[in-house]
Amino acid sequence: DAGVTQSPTHLIKTRGQQVTLRCSPKSGHDTVSWYQQALGQGPQFIFQYYEEEERQRGNFPDRFSGHQFPNYSSELNVNALLLGDSALYLCASIKTGSNYNEQFFGPGTRLTVL
Amino acid sequence: GEDVEQSLFLSVREGDSSVINCTYTDSSSTYLYWYKQEPGAGLQLLTYIFSNMDMKQDQRLTVLLNKKDKHLSLRIADTQTGDSAIYFCAEETSGTYKYIFGTGTRLKVLA
Repeated sequence: DAGVTQSPTHLIKTRGQQVTLRCSPKSGHDTVSWYQQALGQGPQFIFQYYEEEERQRGNFPDRFSGHQFPNYSSELNVNALLLGDSALYLCASIKTGSNYNEQFFGPGTRLTVL
Repeated sequence: GEDVEQSLFLSVREGDSSVINCTYTDSSSTYLYWYKQEPGAGLQLLTYIFSNMDMKQDQRLTVLLNKKDKHLSLRIADTQTGDSAIYFCAEETSGTYKYIFGTGTRLKVLA
Protein backbone atom coordinates (compact mmCIF):
# COMPACT_ATOMS: atom_id res chain seq x y z
CA ASP A 1 0.00 0.00 0.00
CA ALA A 2 1.56 3.28 -1.14
CA GLY A 3 -0.34 5.35 1.41
CA VAL A 4 -1.43 8.84 0.42
CA THR A 5 0.42 10.13 -2.62
CA GLN A 6 0.59 13.66 -3.97
CA SER A 7 1.88 15.20 -7.16
CA PRO A 8 3.86 17.12 -8.06
CA THR A 9 6.38 17.29 -5.24
CA HIS A 10 7.41 20.85 -6.00
CA LEU A 11 5.93 23.54 -8.19
CA ILE A 12 6.90 27.10 -9.08
CA LYS A 13 4.32 29.50 -10.48
CA THR A 14 4.04 33.26 -10.98
CA ARG A 15 1.39 35.59 -9.61
CA GLY A 16 -1.91 35.44 -11.43
CA GLN A 17 -1.41 31.93 -12.74
CA GLN A 18 -3.53 28.91 -11.93
CA VAL A 19 -2.35 25.64 -10.40
CA THR A 20 -3.72 22.12 -9.96
CA LEU A 21 -2.45 19.76 -7.28
CA ARG A 22 -3.33 16.08 -7.16
CA CYS A 23 -3.88 13.55 -4.40
CA SER A 24 -4.47 9.79 -4.36
CA PRO A 25 -5.87 8.56 -1.06
CA LYS A 26 -4.76 5.50 0.82
CA SER A 27 -6.36 2.33 -0.47
CA GLY A 28 -9.84 1.88 0.97
CA HIS A 29 -10.22 5.52 1.98
CA ASP A 30 -13.09 7.58 0.56
CA THR A 31 -12.72 10.99 2.21
CA VAL A 32 -10.04 13.48 1.23
CA SER A 33 -9.13 16.71 3.00
CA TRP A 34 -6.74 19.43 1.91
CA TYR A 35 -4.60 21.59 4.18
CA GLN A 36 -2.35 24.58 3.59
CA GLN A 37 0.80 24.86 5.69
CA ALA A 38 2.56 28.20 5.38
CA LEU A 39 6.18 28.40 6.46
CA GLY A 40 6.48 28.28 10.24
CA GLN A 41 2.76 27.64 10.74
CA GLY A 42 0.53 24.69 11.47
CA PRO A 43 -1.60 23.20 8.69
CA GLN A 44 -4.90 24.98 8.03
CA PHE A 45 -7.97 23.15 6.77
CA ILE A 46 -9.03 24.16 3.26
CA PHE A 47 -11.86 21.74 2.45
CA GLN A 48 -12.96 18.13 2.48
CA TYR A 49 -14.47 15.91 -0.21
CA TYR A 50 -16.68 12.87 0.18
CA GLU A 51 -18.76 11.13 -2.48
CA GLU A 52 -17.46 13.63 -5.04
CA GLU A 53 -18.91 16.60 -3.17
CA GLU A 54 -17.41 19.28 -0.94
CA ARG A 55 -18.59 18.34 2.54
CA GLN A 56 -16.85 21.02 4.63
CA ARG A 57 -14.89 24.14 3.93
CA GLY A 58 -12.44 26.20 5.95
CA ASN A 59 -11.89 29.94 5.78
CA PHE A 60 -10.41 30.11 2.28
CA PRO A 61 -11.54 32.28 -0.66
CA ASP A 62 -13.36 30.96 -3.70
CA ARG A 63 -10.06 31.01 -5.61
CA PHE A 64 -9.50 27.66 -3.91
CA SER A 65 -11.62 24.93 -5.43
CA GLY A 66 -11.48 21.18 -5.63
CA HIS A 67 -12.81 18.05 -7.12
CA GLN A 68 -13.10 14.40 -6.19
CA PHE A 69 -13.24 11.67 -8.80
CA PRO A 70 -15.14 8.36 -8.68
CA ASN A 71 -11.90 6.56 -7.70
CA TYR A 72 -11.71 8.92 -4.65
CA SER A 73 -8.64 10.78 -5.90
CA SER A 74 -8.84 14.54 -5.60
CA GLU A 75 -7.57 17.76 -7.09
CA LEU A 76 -7.00 21.15 -5.51
CA ASN A 77 -7.17 24.12 -7.87
CA VAL A 78 -6.01 27.62 -7.01
CA ASN A 79 -6.77 30.48 -9.39
CA ALA A 80 -5.21 33.94 -9.61
CA LEU A 81 -2.24 32.95 -7.49
CA LEU A 82 -0.93 35.39 -4.89
CA LEU A 83 2.48 35.47 -3.27
CA GLY A 84 0.78 34.47 -0.02
CA ASP A 85 -0.35 31.19 -1.57
CA SER A 86 3.22 29.92 -1.31
CA ALA A 87 3.01 26.99 1.10
CA LEU A 88 3.14 23.24 1.56
CA TYR A 89 -0.20 21.75 0.53
CA LEU A 90 -1.07 18.56 2.35
CA CYS A 91 -3.67 16.00 1.45
CA ALA A 92 -5.15 13.64 4.04
CA SER A 93 -7.44 10.68 3.64
CA ILE A 94 -9.67 8.55 5.85
CA LYS A 95 -12.47 6.05 5.46
CA THR A 96 -15.72 7.63 6.63
CA GLY A 97 -17.16 5.65 9.48
CA SER A 98 -13.79 4.47 10.80
CA ASN A 99 -13.85 3.63 14.48
CA TYR A 100 -10.54 5.34 14.94
CA ASN A 101 -10.25 8.80 13.50
CA GLU A 102 -6.73 8.61 12.17
CA GLN A 103 -6.17 10.50 8.98
CA PHE A 104 -3.17 9.62 6.87
CA PHE A 105 -1.28 12.54 5.42
CA GLY A 106 0.62 12.66 2.17
CA PRO A 107 4.12 14.14 1.85
CA GLY A 108 2.74 17.38 0.43
CA THR A 109 3.28 19.58 -2.60
CA ARG A 110 5.45 22.62 -2.05
CA LEU A 111 4.11 25.53 -4.07
CA THR A 112 6.24 28.63 -4.61
CA VAL A 113 4.60 31.69 -6.13
CA LEU A 114 7.00 34.30 -7.54
CA GLY B 1 -14.14 29.55 18.39
CA GLU B 2 -11.37 27.32 17.19
CA ASP B 3 -7.85 28.09 18.35
CA VAL B 4 -4.97 25.83 19.35
CA GLU B 5 -1.84 27.29 20.91
CA GLN B 6 1.61 25.88 21.58
CA SER B 7 4.91 27.29 22.74
CA LEU B 8 7.27 27.78 19.80
CA PHE B 9 10.54 26.24 20.99
CA LEU B 10 11.85 23.65 23.42
CA SER B 11 15.45 22.59 23.92
CA VAL B 12 16.46 19.55 26.00
CA ARG B 13 19.53 17.41 26.52
CA GLU B 14 19.69 13.87 25.18
CA GLY B 15 18.33 11.41 27.75
CA ASP B 16 16.17 14.00 29.53
CA SER B 17 12.38 14.12 29.33
CA SER B 18 10.63 16.62 27.06
CA VAL B 19 7.21 18.07 27.78
CA ILE B 20 5.34 19.85 25.01
CA ASN B 21 2.20 21.76 25.95
CA CYS B 22 -0.92 22.71 24.02
CA THR B 23 -4.09 24.60 24.86
CA TYR B 24 -7.29 24.47 22.85
CA THR B 25 -10.58 26.33 23.01
CA ASP B 26 -13.22 24.11 21.40
CA SER B 27 -15.00 22.30 24.25
CA SER B 28 -16.73 20.04 21.74
CA SER B 29 -13.40 18.50 20.69
CA THR B 30 -13.64 14.76 20.91
CA TYR B 31 -10.26 13.63 19.67
CA LEU B 32 -6.88 15.22 20.30
CA TYR B 33 -3.76 14.25 18.39
CA TRP B 34 -0.03 14.71 18.44
CA TYR B 35 1.83 14.78 15.11
CA LYS B 36 5.53 14.95 14.34
CA GLN B 37 6.98 16.70 11.30
CA GLU B 38 10.62 16.38 10.31
CA PRO B 39 12.25 18.85 7.88
CA GLY B 40 10.88 18.47 4.37
CA ALA B 41 8.51 15.70 5.40
CA GLY B 42 4.77 15.28 5.89
CA LEU B 43 2.95 14.67 9.15
CA GLN B 44 3.44 11.51 11.18
CA LEU B 45 0.82 10.59 13.78
CA LEU B 46 2.48 9.90 17.13
CA THR B 47 -0.48 9.29 19.39
CA TYR B 48 -4.01 10.43 20.15
CA ILE B 49 -6.37 10.62 23.11
CA PHE B 50 -10.13 10.62 23.38
CA SER B 51 -11.66 13.47 25.33
CA ASN B 52 -13.11 11.08 27.94
CA MET B 53 -9.59 9.99 28.94
CA ASP B 54 -7.13 11.92 31.06
CA MET B 55 -3.96 9.97 30.33
CA LYS B 56 -2.56 7.66 27.70
CA GLN B 57 0.85 6.00 27.63
CA ASP B 58 2.48 4.54 24.54
CA GLN B 59 6.08 3.39 25.00
CA ARG B 60 8.16 6.59 25.53
CA LEU B 61 5.14 8.84 25.00
CA THR B 62 2.70 9.98 27.68
CA VAL B 63 -0.27 12.19 26.88
CA LEU B 64 -2.05 14.08 29.64
CA LEU B 65 -5.39 15.80 29.11
CA ASN B 66 -6.92 18.34 31.47
CA LYS B 67 -10.33 18.84 29.93
CA LYS B 68 -11.39 21.45 32.49
CA ASP B 69 -8.47 23.70 31.55
CA LYS B 70 -8.45 22.53 27.90
CA HIS B 71 -4.78 21.67 28.28
CA LEU B 72 -2.97 18.83 26.53
CA SER B 73 0.63 17.77 27.01
CA LEU B 74 3.01 15.30 25.41
CA ARG B 75 5.87 13.89 27.46
CA ILE B 76 8.71 12.13 25.65
CA ALA B 77 10.86 10.05 27.99
CA ASP B 78 14.58 9.51 27.34
CA THR B 79 14.60 12.03 24.49
CA GLN B 80 16.94 11.16 21.62
CA THR B 81 18.50 13.28 18.88
CA GLY B 82 16.13 11.57 16.43
CA ASP B 83 13.25 13.20 18.29
CA SER B 84 14.33 16.63 17.04
CA ALA B 85 11.41 17.84 14.93
CA ILE B 86 8.32 20.04 15.03
CA TYR B 87 5.43 18.69 17.09
CA PHE B 88 1.84 19.68 16.39
CA CYS B 89 -1.20 19.09 18.52
CA ALA B 90 -4.56 18.95 16.74
CA GLU B 91 -8.17 18.83 17.84
CA GLU B 92 -11.17 17.37 16.09
CA THR B 93 -14.88 17.28 16.75
CA SER B 94 -16.14 13.73 16.37
CA GLY B 95 -17.22 12.74 12.92
CA THR B 96 -15.96 15.83 11.11
CA TYR B 97 -12.46 14.62 10.19
CA LYS B 98 -11.56 18.34 10.21
CA TYR B 99 -8.42 18.90 12.26
CA ILE B 100 -7.49 22.21 13.85
CA PHE B 101 -3.73 22.30 14.30
CA GLY B 102 -1.61 24.27 16.70
CA THR B 103 1.26 26.46 15.62
CA GLY B 104 3.81 23.73 16.32
CA THR B 105 6.64 23.38 18.85
CA ARG B 106 10.15 22.98 17.54
CA LEU B 107 12.01 20.48 19.73
CA LYS B 108 15.80 20.57 19.65
CA VAL B 109 17.67 17.75 21.36
CA LEU B 110 21.24 18.53 22.35
CA ALA B 111 23.78 15.68 22.38
